[in-house]
Amino acid sequence: GAGVSQTPSNKVTEKGKYVELRCDPISGHTALYWYRQSLGQGPEFLIYFQGTGAADDSGLPNDRFFAVRPEGSVSTLKIQRTERGDSAVYLCASSRYAPGQESNEQFFGPGTRLTVL
Amino acid sequence: QKEVEQNSGPLSVPEGAIASLNCTYSDRGSQSFFWYRQYSGKSPELIMFIYSNGDKEDGRFTAQLNKASQYVSLLIRDSQPSDSATYLCSAPDSWGKFQFGAGTQVVVTP
Repeated sequence: GAGVSQTPSNKVTEKGKYVELRCDPISGHTALYWYRQSLGQGPEFLIYFQGTGAADDSGLPNDRFFAVRPEGSVSTLKIQRTERGDSAVYLCASSRYAPGQESNEQFFGPGTRLTVL
Repeated sequence: QKEVEQNSGPLSVPEGAIASLNCTYSDRGSQSFFWYRQYSGKSPELIMFIYSNGDKEDGRFTAQLNKASQYVSLLIRDSQPSDSATYLCSAPDSWGKFQFGAGTQVVVTP
């Protein structure tokens, strides 16, 4: 596809349930990022992949959050035992190169709105 | 102190005027800077990036960077109602982690 895609666009779940959010980056982009955005705030960094490996996962709030990118393309963000405070828009972005290089501009997907009841 | 700071606004700008948005950052290791536009209920859209000190122009947008002052700005000339949105400033820190400001809401009034 031409841009970053994310599925589902909306996810409503009950407290304590497990959810998976999927991101398909722009073809050829080596870097992939997950963010969380709450109303009135800028995107909050969660994790960054360079290829298959998590280069920086320091933004994951706790061990209920985990992300994978097994083949260096599609990534899945997994949240266990969801809590109401996890409700937010989860954004995925990709860039052609790593953050320290030029031409590292990120392009965002449409986001997944997660609501935990 | 947040890594990237912006005035939250709203910044009210008459149609046709210049909107001036400011952003400061704390990490002197940041080398590249990005401006995103975000409409309500939508995801951020990249509109400008700048790596070198000075000005960079793209259509009605001009980004200005001053690394000594750790300051980056965005000017929107001939503001249109379609420019009404929240503008996010972003920079990767020394470790490559992208930091975002909270955004400045711009409202262009006819």
